[in-house]
Amino acid sequence: EAQVTQNPRYLITVTGKKLTVTCSQNMNHEYMSWYRQDPGLGLRQIYYSMNVEVTDKGDVPEGYKVSRKEKRNFPLILESPSPNQTSLYFCASSLGGTNPGVGPTYGYTFGSGTRLTVV
Amino acid sequence: TQLLEQSPQFLSIQEGENLTVYCNSSSVFSSLQWYRQEPGEGPVLLVTVVTGGEVKKLKRLTFQFGDARKDSSLHITAAQPGDTGLYLCAGAVGGADGLTFGKGTHLIIQP
Repeated sequence: EAQVTQNPRYLITVTGKKLTVTCSQNMNHEYMSWYRQDPGLGLRQIYYSMNVEVTDKGDVPEGYKVSRKEKRNFPLILESPSPNQTSLYFCASSLGGTNPGVGPTYGYTFGSGTRLTVV
Repeated sequence: TQLLEQSPQFLSIQEGENLTVYCNSSSVFSSLQWYRQEPGEGPVLLVTVVTGGEVKKLKRLTFQFGDARKDSSLHITAAQPGDTGLYLCAGAVGGADGLTFGKGTHLIIQP
């Protein structure tokens, strides 16, 4: 089954304790991205990646790191989590654009989400 | 950051009624997508529109992309309780940019 798999689904942690949320896709997609979703703010992009070893900041990258060493994996790293990073996180992937330079026109496949609480 | 504004923010109607939700921006998008999200789950892609003026139909759902590629609408005919959910529009500027999402329309269809 074609899917984006995130782990864990739920995580409660303490301030300052490094954590990694994993994301893996089995569709050979080039684009991958991380979003956070907060009430009243909607989905905001944290980081995205066009391909292996190519990553770029989204709208809210502060406090997060990513890496793209393999095409299928795109982990999200919080080096020193803080309570304001409590949120619902989604990983997404996309085949890419139909034409160069037109972005992810095929649309994104999202994971089921990771609900993170930092106390 | 390209801003996408969705309206209405909340909509509650009776089963069988028709409705339209809107997605507007001052930016021009190379493509625009609509997603539906249920509580506790990730958004699921409904449609992608690419050409200005394009109209796509998905059963009782009709999607339209504005001629100038700055806005879009989603029309639902004869709404059913199963249509309940959060409807999100998302725009792609192209190139290296990812998707920018609107805040969504919370739709409730009452039996």
